[in-house]
Amino acid sequence: AQSVTQPDIHITVSEGASLELRCNYSYGATPYLFWYVQSPGQGLQLLLKYFSGDTLVQGIKGFEAEFKRSQSSFNLRKPSVHWSDAAEYFCAVGTTDSWGKLQFGAGTQVVVTP
Amino acid sequence: GAVVSQHPSRVICKSGTSVKIECRSLDFQATTMFWYRQFPKQSLMLMATSNEGSKATYEQGVEKDKFLINHASLTLSTLTVTSAHPEDSSFYICSARPTPGQGKSEAFFGQGTRLTVV
Repeated sequence: AQSVTQPDIHITVSEGASLELRCNYSYGATPYLFWYVQSPGQGLQLLLKYFSGDTLVQGIKGFEAEFKRSQSSFNLRKPSVHWSDAAEYFCAVGTTDSWGKLQFGAGTQVVVTP
Repeated sequence: GAVVSQHPSRVICKSGTSVKIECRSLDFQATTMFWYRQFPKQSLMLMATSNEGSKATYEQGVEKDKFLINHASLTLSTLTVTSAHPEDSSFYICSARPTPGQGKSEAFFGQGTRLTVV
């Protein structure tokens, strides 16, 4: 069975600084990988996804993620954080035999300080 | 775009009553929809997979008689929380997986329903 680990429960970053959120997965084949963002009391917004091909994926709001098969990782990055990036971020993994069905990581809460 | 509408967005009900939550794909057909639950400050946990025209598949530990799922058409799935209790208070989110051939390669999420049982 697949699993997703987000090692950092909480990250505080200064506005304008860079941000990296870690995600590690466990799955026997090439997974489908996603990053979602959730603001308090809101639904999920897809930031980016990886299915195949180029391992560096560009998403919305200036985010990017890199798939590293050797490290079973799919870390999310943003070069310069804005106050509006404060939210909960979820990494999720799907499988080729049941795509659309996702397993989510525990989430990382991002706090942005002035 | 691909829009999934979930209704209601918020509901408060009395303990012992039932609540129905709708999940509609507005501009695509979805043979399969998924229902997730999110407790406060926790992650999303898959509850069940809803299949149009057949019985839902429930994840381990989810009571199928308590969480009734009906997927009556290619654009609508409903989740009914029966005999709700305060411990059922949670954020419920659906996602809809487009039927193949519509040029879409991911499932799309609704905006969620905040259920509070008092």
